Amino acid sequence: AQKVTQAQTEISVVEKEDVTLDCVYETRDTTYYLFWYKQPPSGELVFLIRRNSFDEQNEISGRYSWNFQKSTSSFNFTITASQVVDSAVYFCALSEAKATSGTYKYIFGTGTRLKVLA
Amino acid sequence: DTGVSQDPRHKITKRGQNVTFRCDPISEHNRLYWYRQTLGQGPEFLTYFQNEAQLEKSRLLSDRFSAERPKGSFSTLEIQRTEQGDSAMYLCASSWDERQAFFGQGTRLTVV
Repeated sequence: AQKVTQAQTEISVVEKEDVTLDCVYETRDTTYYLFWYKQPPSGELVFLIRRNSFDEQNEISGRYSWNFQKSTSSFNFTITASQVVDSAVYFCALSEAKATSGTYKYIFGTGTRLKVLA
Repeated sequence: DTGVSQDPRHKITKRGQNVTFRCDPISEHNRLYWYRQTLGQGPEFLTYFQNEAQLEKSRLLSDRFSAERPKGSFSTLEIQRTEQGDSAMYLCASSWDERQAFFGQGTRLTVV
């Protein structure tokens, strides 16, 4: 069955430190999407990035970067020079599609709480 | 505001009462999802609609839960005879395809 594992429950760093959030996934699908979402205290899930299973290129967006490795089924997220505003819970998610029923859903990990201290 | 809208944002109810939540998806999104999130956990899938058709329901969705999406527009999630274990954040999301789901701010339910 599809599964997403975020082994780090909580991470605390001091502002300006770099931090990497780990995500490992399991899937039988050959085509899938991986996502990272940020959940601030307000509760809304904010989309950060999507990666197609066929695209293993790493991506950088400002202070954020993502490392996707199919060989290890990992999709890790690095924040460079962390800031207090980065404090939130971060979720990794995996898409699951069932062609027979036409259904589609996202499987989420349990999240990593990041605390950035001033 | 053109995002996913959920109402109410907070609901406190007594055990045994019925509650109904509403979700207004982004206009023209044909896919709609309901998720439940308990403290310290990630969102768990409850149900999926494509237009007005409910194509999948999780085993988490007991007989006390029912969801509808009349005319493929807004959706409602009803919980009958609420139990304390139903206390959670209920999240709605919508999408046009599989590439990105947009989430609402959620309805936080507290059953006392």
